[in-house]
Amino acid sequence: EAGVTQFPSHSVIEKGQTVTLRCDPISGHDNLYWYRRVMGKEIKFLLHFVKESKQDESGMPNNRFLAERTGGTYSTLKVQPAELEDSGVYFCASSQGDPGTYEQYFGPGTRLTVT
Amino acid sequence: GESVGLHLPTLSVQEGDNSIINCAYSNSASDYFIWYKQESGKGPQFIIDIRSNMDKRQGQRVTVLLNKTVKHLSLQIAATQPGDSAVYFCAENMKGDYKLSFGAGTTVTVRA
Repeated sequence: EAGVTQFPSHSVIEKGQTVTLRCDPISGHDNLYWYRRVMGKEIKFLLHFVKESKQDESGMPNNRFLAERTGGTYSTLKVQPAELEDSGVYFCASSQGDPGTYEQYFGPGTRLTVT
Repeated sequence: GESVGLHLPTLSVQEGDNSIINCAYSNSASDYFIWYKQESGKGPQFIIDIRSNMDKRQGQRVTVLLNKTVKHLSLQIAATQPGDSAVYFCAENMKGDYKLSFGAGTTVTVRA
């Protein structure tokens, strides 16, 4: 079974530019999550999709971040315009089942560097 | 083996010794706890979990201990191997909530 995949693995962009990250969850997983780890700190929750609907976006830092999950399959996370503090590793995870009874499977992450 | 009473960002362990990684969680309403291992270039990988109605759970070479009184979680790795070198994160989850709240992570380095 293929795991969670993310593209690209690395992205280097200049401040003010736009970047779009993609996540393909494990097939059949309704739940999809975005997390971010900045500057070696803790991994922080960004948002959670159930199929194509945003269930919880309480962790999104500001309106420069836009996440979509068209058709309830893959998801994209767009940062526009990017700022220096957006640098970090963006992880996607997916799961099936109810909270507390499931395992969230993480992708390898996209390392974003904003210069 | 080496033990860490408080959370420290790094832990150096001699191969073959036991490792103990500590984590303090913040939310008394959390009822599900997970330890993840992150190797270089990879995403966090599930190691072991424990529910709040338990205080100990064992896996293969790993044991998780939960002390709800002081909101403390620990991961014990028996006979630490070079392949155990990684960053270890604890995560908590509140009942009915999907998102995970992670600790800062502990980088474990195994010395040959």
